[in-house]
Amino acid sequence: AQSVSQHNHHVILSEAASLELGCNYSYGGTVNLFWYVQYPGQHLQLLLKYFSGDPLVKGIKGFEAEFIKSKFSFNLRKPSVQWSDTAEYFCAVKENNNDMRFGAGTRLTVKP
Amino acid sequence: GAGVSQSPSNKVTEKGKDVELRCDPISGHTALYWYRQSLGQGLEFLIYFQGNSAPDKSGLPSDRFSAERTGGSVSTLTIQRTQQEDSAVYLCASSGQAANYGYTFGSGTRLTVV
Repeated sequence: AQSVSQHNHHVILSEAASLELGCNYSYGGTVNLFWYVQYPGQHLQLLLKYFSGDPLVKGIKGFEAEFIKSKFSFNLRKPSVQWSDTAEYFCAVKENNNDMRFGAGTRLTVKP
Repeated sequence: GAGVSQSPSNKVTEKGKDVELRCDPISGHTALYWYRQSLGQGLEFLIYFQGNSAPDKSGLPSDRFSAERTGGSVSTLTIQRTQQEDSAVYLCASSGQAANYGYTFGSGTRLTVV
């Protein structure tokens, strides 16, 4: 079955640490990939997206993600996290014009 | 409007009652989606409307759940005979037609069934 997997349920980091959140998907066709962020008490916001071209995508707030087709992965990275990055992060995959499917989410806690 | 609007923002209902949740998408967005976010879990797809096509209802968890979209705009998600396990945040999102469009989410309706 088609699925999106986020392997880390809860990640705890200190400020200035580097971040990498894993995302793998099982769709076989052409896909569009997204990362969404949900800050405490706020609604989901788009962080970045990939649909073609350079597989290294830059997003807002210093985040980036790399699409590795051979690994069916779209990991999210940030070189140095801040306390304000504490949030829940969702990876999502959209195949053609179908609906978007989300991973279970990864809760990031950044200690000041 | 400028964003996706959902109402009510909070709803407390008694077990067995019916509830209606409303979503007003961004004007011109052809696609509308309903998701459910339960405590400690990710986003669960419920239903998807795209233009005038038949909706994709594959995510609806039971026949107590239904949704409609009138005039290609406003959508209503109805839960009949609510159960405690229906308690969750119900999120609506809309997007343009192209496959590479991300979604714009509403703030959600927090449903509590007591």
